Amino acid sequence: NAGVTQTPKFQVLKTGQSMTLQCAQDMNHEYMSWYRQDPGMGLRLIHYSVGAGITDQGEVPNGYNVSRSTTEDFPLRLLSAAPSQTSVYFCASSYRVERREQYFGPGTRLTVT
Amino acid sequence: AQRVTQPEKLLSVFKGAPVELKCNYSYSGSPELFWYVQYSRQRLQLLLRHISRESIKGFTADLNKGETSFHLKKPFAQEEDSAMYYCALSGGFQKLVFGTGTRLLVSP
Repeated sequence: NAGVTQTPKFQVLKTGQSMTLQCAQDMNHEYMSWYRQDPGMGLRLIHYSVGAGITDQGEVPNGYNVSRSTTEDFPLRLLSAAPSQTSVYFCASSYRVERREQYFGPGTRLTVT
Repeated sequence: AQRVTQPEKLLSVFKGAPVELKCNYSYSGSPELFWYVQYSRQRLQLLLRHISRESIKGFTADLNKGETSFHLKKPFAQEEDSAMYYCALSGGFQKLVFGTGTRLLVSP
């Protein structure tokens, strides 16, 4: 198993550009989520999904969209990038809805200039 | 509301010294508490969770509901323990809330 994979590893965007961060898992996990990691602020939940076709907002959803058309994939879309979205983004998944052990991807380091 | 507080940004100790990483939480119901670790250039991974009552890599953590704490302890620190440690709480439907993290630096 590849586990949780994320692409790209690094990305530089200009303010106003849009892009999609990819996340995939091959463990048949029901639950997937996106976090951003900022110095001094820990990891903050952006969006999460409890299964295909179901998504919900986390703590910091503004400026981001998600969809879950398949169990395996959970892309995160930045609609119009802003410097405040410069961060490291982590995707995570877990096997069952009631289990909360999260398996994390390697992260995407995004810089918005 | 769920909240996790890790008061120390950096904890620096010498090899062989005891380590205690502090974690306090706020949640009105029955929480599930976790410690995650991120070693340099590696992805975040689960270290331990309170329901397992296990010791991983010599680390233990006890949930103290009276003090709403879940401190991570190790009696003798090793250099390879140097990493970023995050305390996390799950009190609701799959919402895992993280603290701000503590960087542990173990010097020889």
